[in-house]
Amino acid sequence: SQELEQSPQSLIVQEGKNLTINCTSSKTLYGLYWYKQKYGEGLIFLMMLQKGGEEKSHEKITAKLDEKKQQSSLHITASQPSHAGIYLCGAVMPRDTGGFKTIFGAGTRLFVKA
Amino acid sequence: DVKVTQSSRYLVKRTGEKVFLECVQDMDHENMFWYRQDPGLGLRLIYFSYDVKMKEKGDIPEGYSVSREKKERFSLILESASTSQTSMYLCASSRFSGGYTFGSGTRLTVV
Repeated sequence: SQELEQSPQSLIVQEGKNLTINCTSSKTLYGLYWYKQKYGEGLIFLMMLQKGGEEKSHEKITAKLDEKKQQSSLHITASQPSHAGIYLCGAVMPRDTGGFKTIFGAGTRLFVKA
Repeated sequence: DVKVTQSSRYLVKRTGEKVFLECVQDMDHENMFWYRQDPGLGLRLIYFSYDVKMKEKGDIPEGYSVSREKKERFSLILESASTSQTSMYLCASSRFSGGYTFGSGTRLTVV
């Protein structure tokens, strides 16, 4: 969705290197989710962020939501081949007609070279 | 281990066929969703349901219909499959305020 921009579209990193993926919206987000998808498979939930300035970590993956709740970053430390896949952000935001909706970014394809 | 199960991982159908994609969740979630995923376009919402027998159109409902006769099951129907409907189809479920749990996906090819 253009309402949720994800960057970069793809990323190739050497094993052991750090990397960051960004997810940006022009609207205030009421919830931000990060998912990982192995090629050809479904999405696996990684983390959810709701509060401005919130940061969560799981193993070598850290996700942050900025204070304005319009941008989130996913940081992987010391990347491994097992980190390869597609990372998608999903965000809860208000509908123009009232209520809320969840939309997803286009995804970032991560390749990790051994 | 809670999960969302999609009946088929891979399907090949002919143009004009009626196609049923089945999705079952065991988490007693109120909401269920059908998305299609295409390269460069990300996830696009086809239909969703927030209760049994209730359905709402998403962003790209044309050429699709859905059925939710029981809370745990949400079916996507392609009335007359076309090659433009070749895609990865993902089912998801959630509680009203929660994150989504996704199925493993069905890769549909229409020839």
